Amino acid sequence: DQQVKQNSPSLSVQEGRISILNCDYTNSMFDYFLWYKKYPAEGPTFLISISSIKDKNEDGRFTVFLNKSAKHLSLHIVPSQPGDSAVYFCAASINFGNEKLTFGTGTRLTIIP
Amino acid sequence: SQTIHQWPATLVQPVGSPLSLECTVEGTSNPNLYWYRQAAGRGLQLLFYSVGIGQISSEVPQNLSASRPQDRQFILSSKKLLLSDSGFYLCAWNGGGTEAFFGQGTRLTVV
Repeated sequence: DQQVKQNSPSLSVQEGRISILNCDYTNSMFDYFLWYKKYPAEGPTFLISISSIKDKNEDGRFTVFLNKSAKHLSLHIVPSQPGDSAVYFCAASINFGNEKLTFGTGTRLTIIP
Repeated sequence: SQTIHQWPATLVQPVGSPLSLECTVEGTSNPNLYWYRQAAGRGLQLLFYSVGIGQISSEVPQNLSASRPQDRQFILSSKKLLLSDSGFYLCAWNGGGTEAFFGQGTRLTVV
């Protein structure tokens, strides 16, 4: 039972354009959502998070949007840079991050120079 | 500052051999500790998590076990490895509502 889903296994975006990565979840108890970036043979690194009391959180080039009614979140990267090429995982937790994270299957983002 | 150490980075083991992967965290106390496995098409699958010494929760039935002998030490073990145990294993910690921080991972190949 995949409670967090990333339906696009891969995405290619031209450098300088906007990258939009999507994530859907099924468990209405989730109240804290995160995005991680992962390079090959390395552990994931935290990018940005959002709690369910917000619908948007922005940090530099990265913005996460949360639509609770649709159980959907997205990560926007603007402008996209070659160094953004990686696998992106969304994750969700209950109790505002005090509980274990449930991850999606990941989306491989490739930025085309 | 907090750091997390995970070793070894790579491991090749024959089928039927035992396994021990170790993870330690520095700079924090009473962390929540996690073992994840990354497998193709499966994302990051939570295997075990621990909220304290000797407290282990298993998320999926499998050939692996975990132990937490000390507050900041988390060990992933197996008595007899299977081919299907191959994968990329990640240790992580969080605490106090923060995001989880990951180790560098261990690439395990069972041959």
